[in-house]
Amino acid sequence: GAVVSQHPSWVICKSGTSVKIECRSLDFQATTMFWYRQFPKQSLMLMATSNEGSKATYEQGVEKDKFLINHASLTLSTLTVTSAHPEDSSFYICSATGTENSPLHFGNGTRLTVT
Amino acid sequence: AQSVAQPEDQVNVAEGNPLTVKCTYSVSGNPYLFWYVQYPNRGLQFLLKYITGDNLVKGSYGFEAEFNKSQTSFHLKKPSALVSDSALYFCAVRDTGSGGYQKVTFGIGTKLQVIP
Repeated sequence: GAVVSQHPSWVICKSGTSVKIECRSLDFQATTMFWYRQFPKQSLMLMATSNEGSKATYEQGVEKDKFLINHASLTLSTLTVTSAHPEDSSFYICSATGTENSPLHFGNGTRLTVT
Repeated sequence: AQSVAQPEDQVNVAEGNPLTVKCTYSVSGNPYLFWYVQYPNRGLQFLLKYITGDNLVKGSYGFEAEFNKSQTSFHLKKPSALVSDSALYFCAVRDTGSGGYQKVTFGIGTKLQVIP
């Protein structure tokens, strides 16, 4: 089946630094990738949708200058949390899809802790 | 706008008994419906989907779901629960009438606890 690799699985950083999270589709071309944030005991909150070669579409309330998304190729999207603060600590999950009717394939998530 | 409701925060079932995790949805057009499972500190794994065709959909790990258009429901079921089925289950919907195919809305999740 389709595999999405997300790296790192966990990261601890100091307040004010930036963190990059990578999401790769290993065996299919991901025309669209999604980035979610998940709070404890809550559902996934869609942050942004990215299509290869174009600017990401951010959901309302998500700061695009803080959460930089780059979808440089059909197999790679990155999320950079800039100038991280403790309130950015969360579980970030990416997903990818190749075709319109395909299910989303998820990475294993990244646990970000900002100290 | 599309939405998904999972009315139960948690479902407890004895091992070997049948289980049901409920999901209802709201869309303007026809729905694409999905079920995913999440284990602690992991991403979501796809279980099954309904696009069109038979209302009863069979998926991974012995799970199945029944699409009921009149009740706008897509309940997840399994005839005999295993302890290893204990996890967080998400129902999701995409509205084919929304234009553009990307956005999928997830329910809040239902924690399934299978008791040995």
